[in-house]
Amino acid sequence: KAGVTQTPRYLIKTRGQQVTLSCSPISGHRSVSWYQQTPGQGLQFLFEYFSETQRNKGNFPGRFSGRQFSNSRSEMNVSTLELGDSALYLCASSLEGLAGASYNEQFFGPGTRLTVL
Amino acid sequence: GNSVTQMEGPVTLSEEAFLTINCTYTATGYPSLFWYVQYPGEGLQLLLKATKADDKGSNKGFEATYRKETTSFHLEKGSVQVSDSAVYFCALKGGGSNYKLTFGKGTLLTVNP
Repeated sequence: KAGVTQTPRYLIKTRGQQVTLSCSPISGHRSVSWYQQTPGQGLQFLFEYFSETQRNKGNFPGRFSGRQFSNSRSEMNVSTLELGDSALYLCASSLEGLAGASYNEQFFGPGTRLTVL
Repeated sequence: GNSVTQMEGPVTLSEEAFLTINCTYTATGYPSLFWYVQYPGEGLQLLLKATKADDKGSNKGFEATYRKETTSFHLEKGSVQVSDSAVYFCALKGGGSNYKLTFGKGTLLTVNP
């Protein structure tokens, strides 16, 4: 079974631009989460989508948004880019089911490295 | 809110040495606990997990025990290898259908031959 895929793997943008990142979850997984990883702040939760609805949201400004499609693929968008948005953006998918032990795992993609100049 | 504190390192060991990376957490209810590993240039891989008190997660020689009384989930390995060099993250997931993971800052492990 294919893992979580993210495109593109690398992006270079300039301040003020906007960017869209894409994530394809593992087949059958309907929950998709996004995380930002930076050297200073570490790994921070952005948001989680399930069945095309945002179910959870982290503490990021409104410039960060996302969506999920009916096939569970997800995109996140960052508008008006700032230098501090340079980071590795990780997507993770999970198998939704009962809130039991087997369904607690999140499987991560390789990430998209965003550099803002 | 939930939080995870882990020793930040870096940790440098010789091959076959014993490894301990400390992790403590703060959470309400009954969280699940995880260790993830990140190799250079890659995403995160789940190393092991424990979903209730006294559970021991294990994988590839690594172990961690969910200690509710000390709110800890320390990672251990009896004999590390050069290939274990990576960044290790302790993480917590709250109960219910909430797939938000709260991570520690990560610990860089370097194993020398």
